Order: sequence, then C-alpha cells, then structure tokens
Amino acid sequence: GAGVSQSPRYKVAKRGQDVALRCDPISGHVSLFWYQQALGQGPEFLTYFQNEAQLDKSGLPSDRFFAERPEGSVSTLKIQRTQQEDSAVYLCASSRGWGNTGELFFGEGSRLTVL
Amino acid sequence: AQSVSQHNHHVILSEAASLELGCNYSYGGTVNLFWYVQYPGQHLQLLLKYFSGDPLVKGIKGFEAEFIKSKFSFNLRKPSVQWSDTAEYFCAVTLNAGKSTFGDGTTLTVKP
Repeated sequence: GAGVSQSPRYKVAKRGQDVALRCDPISGHVSLFWYQQALGQGPEFLTYFQNEAQLDKSGLPSDRFFAERPEGSVSTLKIQRTQQEDSAVYLCASSRGWGNTGELFFGEGSRLTVL
Repeated sequence: AQSVSQHNHHVILSEAASLELGCNYSYGGTVNLFWYVQYPGQHLQLLLKYFSGDPLVKGIKGFEAEFIKSKFSFNLRKPSVQWSDTAEYFCAVTLNAGKSTFGDGTTLTVKP
C-alpha cells in the first residue's frame, strides 16, 4: 500500500491476555519506530529498528513488551499479560533513511483497551 | 534526557486570526526539529522540519516556524487560520538520527 498500515485498528483485551500488534511500513523504508500514545499526551518512544536490527529499545516500559522485525519489513509489537495501564494507542512510523533523518510516516495506530 | 514543552494545550481562534503555538525543548546540543499535525480522524503527518540553515522554515498550508537557538524554541505560526486548520499539533525534537521526543500537543479549534 501507499502508507503505513497497522492492524488491528482496535483491540479490547482482558487483563492478563497477550496481544500482538502488526505494522506494515512503506515499502523500502529502512527505519521503523513504535510509539505509545496515552490519552491527552504526545507519542512516547518505545523502540526503533533499522532493517531487522533493533537499535534502541530503551522506551519499552517493561519486559512484558517485545518487538520484532525479522525480515526488515513487517514488525510486530507484542504485549504479554496486559495490564490496564497498557491501554493506549500504539503508533508505528517508518522513515526512508537511517534513523529519523527526515520525515516520519505514521500509521493510523492500534487502539488497545485493557479491561 | 531531552524533553519538549508545548505550553498551549487548547487554542480557540476565529477564522482569519493569526496563530502562534509555542514549543520549547530542553537539549543544548544539535537538534532536528519538527512540527506534526493530526487532523480529526487522520494519522499524524509532517507539517515542517528544521535541520540547519535558515532558522525560518516554511511548511505546507501556509505554516512556518522559527528556530531560536538562544531560547530553545521552535514556535509555529500562521498569519491567517482557516476552519480546516482545526487539528492537533505536535512539536518533536530528534537528536542525531535517533528517536523523536514529542510534546503533549496543542489542540487548535478554528471557529468559522
């Protein structure tokens, strides 16, 4: 597709459930970022990939959060044993070059609600 | 750690009024600066960016921003807003080529 695609758009999980969020970046984009956006706040950095290499995961809130991009294109963000504080919109963004040297192209986000 | 402050949380203007949204950041080194916009129901998209050179940057839809290094500021301006500018605006800062740090956003409502 022409833009960054994320699925599912909406996910409701019971506390303790595992969830997986998918990001399909723009074809050929080297860099991929995951952000978490809580209600009324700006996006908070979670992790960053350059091709298949995870170069920065300093923003992952706990070891329940795990991200991968095994073939350097599609990425999955997995959250294990979800908790209510994980409720947020999870944004994926990709960039043409190395890191964020230019424009970030965002997907529409995956809204996670943990009950 | 770097941080970004957007002091205006919600701004309400009438059409044709002038706009200035404040953005301050807390890092003393070389930074790349961005403004992103999110229209209702749409994804975040780039409005303008500053890497180096002329500190007055022009973006899409008549927006501009001025980088003032001594004030650690990158304020967004538009001389005359339109109803279609109603959106949420985010300032972001990037060090080197790494992660971007975003402010909490300013919601702009333009009354027709």
